[in-house]
Amino acid sequence: GQNIDQPTEMTATEGAIVQINCTYQTSGFNGLFWYQQHAGEAPTFLSYNVLDGLEEKGRFSSFLSRSKGYSYLLLKELQMKDSASYLCAVRDISNSGYALNFGKGTSLLVTP
Amino acid sequence: EPEVTQTPSHQVTQMGQEVILRCVPISNHLYFYWYRQILGQKVEFLVSFYNNEISEKSEIFDDQFSVERPDGSNFTLKIRSTKLEDSAMYFCASSENTIYFGEGSWLTVV
Repeated sequence: GQNIDQPTEMTATEGAIVQINCTYQTSGFNGLFWYQQHAGEAPTFLSYNVLDGLEEKGRFSSFLSRSKGYSYLLLKELQMKDSASYLCAVRDISNSGYALNFGKGTSLLVTP
Repeated sequence: EPEVTQTPSHQVTQMGQEVILRCVPISNHLYFYWYRQILGQKVEFLVSFYNNEISEKSEIFDDQFSVERPDGSNFTLKIRSTKLEDSAMYFCASSENTIYFGEGSWLTVV
C-alpha cells in the first residue's frame, strides 16, 4: 500500500506565500498529483510531477524529490478564494488502471 | 473545455434499495474511475475501468458494487442493497494521464 502524509490544516494571510508539504511511501512511484477541493465540490487538477524538480504554473508551483519521497505545493500571492482543501495524490506502477491514491488533504484557510 | 458529467447530483434512498449513479466521461479518455468521499474524510478509490472491463478495484468495491459501460458514452456505478454507511459523495473520473473528476453525486441513505 501507500502512505501519504500531509498537514491537516494551515492558515496564511492574503497576499502571502504558503507551502504545503506531502510525504509518501510507495514501492513503484509513477507520478504525484496535486488537486484543489472546495467544500462540497469535486477535486480539480492543479499540477503533476513525475520527475524531480519544480513545475510552475502561474501562482502555483509543485516540487518533487523522488529520493526523499517528498513533494510540496507552493501557492503565491494568496487570494481569499484559495481557501480550500489541497489533496496530494500518488500513482503507483502497481495500479494497473492508473488510479490515484489520495492523502487526507490539507485544509488551507486564507485570512484577510 | 471537456468535462466529466454526473447524474443525479443528489439522491436520497432508503436502506436496502438499489442505486445507479451515471457518468459521461470525457469523450477521448480511455480510463474511467469511481471514487467516493465520506463527509469529512479523504477521497477513496473504488474501481478503475479500461477496455470494457475492470482493471483494478479496492477493498471497498465488494459484491455490493458493480460498474457497467452500457453504451459508447455512459459509465454507471450500481450499489445494491444500500447501507447507511454508503452515504457519501461519489465521484466519477476519467483520464488519459491526468485524472479529471465530475462534480459528484451526493448519496444519502436513510
